[in-house]
Amino acid sequence: DTEVTQTPKHLVMGMTNKKSLKCEQHMGHRAMYWYKQKAKKPPELMFVYSYEKLSINESVPSRFSPECPNSSLLNLHLHALQPEDSALYLCASSQEGPGSPRGYTFGSGTRLTVV
Amino acid sequence: AQSVSQHNHHVILSEAASLELGCNYSYGGTVNLFWYVQYPGQHLQLLLKYFSGDPLVKGIKGFEAEFIKSKFSFNLRKPSVQWSDTAEYFCAVSYGGSQGNLIFGKGTKLSVKP
Repeated sequence: DTEVTQTPKHLVMGMTNKKSLKCEQHMGHRAMYWYKQKAKKPPELMFVYSYEKLSINESVPSRFSPECPNSSLLNLHLHALQPEDSALYLCASSQEGPGSPRGYTFGSGTRLTVV
Repeated sequence: AQSVSQHNHHVILSEAASLELGCNYSYGGTVNLFWYVQYPGQHLQLLLKYFSGDPLVKGIKGFEAEFIKSKFSFNLRKPSVQWSDTAEYFCAVSYGGSQGNLIFGKGTKLSVKP
């Protein structure tokens, strides 16, 4: 298995809703990431989990809450989002830590629309 | 500040033309360098990577890139593009060894005319 699987692929939510994005990998990778990608822009790092510990939080608003239940799973809990949070949310993993020379494997993303 | 620059926002080529996309990074220390491709509606895929050894690296789909340390550059090349190469191309760099975050350039959109 050489994939990062994200669910759901599409999500529409209201500003008062609570939802979660899920990410799963079975490659034995020890670091997992959440990126946010707006249209025609590069991915921007949100969170890094390295060996199941949150090691970097790039000053993301508290309405985004990451969770890493185990080394294969990564969740992103969403609450009280704003329309400007609409974007493609990408999960990635790497065999070693953030500076892995092997690069990251990315999932297909969750297309989130906040209404 | 650590950064990655991609010189071209949008490149338009005809099939069989040669391609070179520029990428420069700002830091002179240890770096890992990558090119990712994102086809329309699809996820990011790793084209090739460099972290040590031969500065000319070959990737998938006939792409290659050359690391020139003195120029802080890692340009992507392909001798002859195809319509199916139409995509967004991102250069990415991680700095400072194992703890360096992966930072993306702004991307270059490549449109290949059949």
